[in-house]
Amino acid sequence: GAGVSQTPSNKVTEKGKYVELRCDPISGHTALYWYRQSLGQGPEFLIYFQGTGAADDSGLPNDRFFAVRPEGSVSTLKIQRTERGDSAVYLCASSLQGNEQFFGPGTRLTVL
Amino acid sequence: AQSVAQPEDQVNVAEGNPLTVKCTYSVSGNPYLFWYVQYPNRGLQFLLKYITGDNLVKGSYGFEAEFNKSQTSFHLKKPSALVSDSALYFCAVRENTGGFKTIFGAGTRLFVKA
Repeated sequence: GAGVSQTPSNKVTEKGKYVELRCDPISGHTALYWYRQSLGQGPEFLIYFQGTGAADDSGLPNDRFFAVRPEGSVSTLKIQRTERGDSAVYLCASSLQGNEQFFGPGTRLTVL
Repeated sequence: AQSVAQPEDQVNVAEGNPLTVKCTYSVSGNPYLFWYVQYPNRGLQFLLKYITGDNLVKGSYGFEAEFNKSQTSFHLKKPSALVSDSALYFCAVRENTGGFKTIFGAGTRLFVKA
C-alpha cells in the first residue's frame, strides 16, 4: 500500500511568513508524529496525535507552531511568523498503536 | 523524561567484519526501543525493535540488537558488514506508560570500507 506522503517536498519562504506542511499517513494508522531534523542531527520530537487529538505536544518549540488532525487522518503542521531558525527538514511518521513508525520523505523548509 | 545517547558520531569498519553501533537510554519504567536507518536522500526506515521477551532481537538486513537492562543499553550489531550498510543509524526510545512520545538519538554514521 501507499506509504506516508508529505507535501510540499520543499518550501522556501521569507522571514515572518506563515507556512503549512501537510502529512498523509498510512491508512488505518492511528498515531501520527511530527519531528524536525536539522542537518547532522536526529529527529527532534514535536508532537504526536492519537486519532484526532494531540496526545503530546511537549516538543513544539513555542506558540508559533501548531498542528491539527481534524479527521484522524491527514495532519497539517502550521508555523506562524517564520524565523530563519525554523529552517529544517520536517518529518512526519505514522504507526499502529505506538509501534514502529513509518516515515515520510520530509518537507525541507527554508526561511530566508 | 526519556533520553537516548549514541556516544559515537561515526563508526568505521571493514567489509566482512562485525559491527556494533552503541546506544544507551534513560526512561522511567520499561522501555520500548527501536533502531532506524537513514540512507542518503531517503527517508528513515525501521530496522528492529525491543518490546519485551528475548533480549536479542533480530531485524531487517541481518541486523540484530541486544537489550541489556542493567546497563540500559541497546547496541546494534551485525556479524558481517557490507559496504551497502553505510548509512546513518538512529536509536529511539519510548516509555511503556501508555504514551507514544518517542525520543531519537543524535545518530551514528556507519562507514563500511571495501
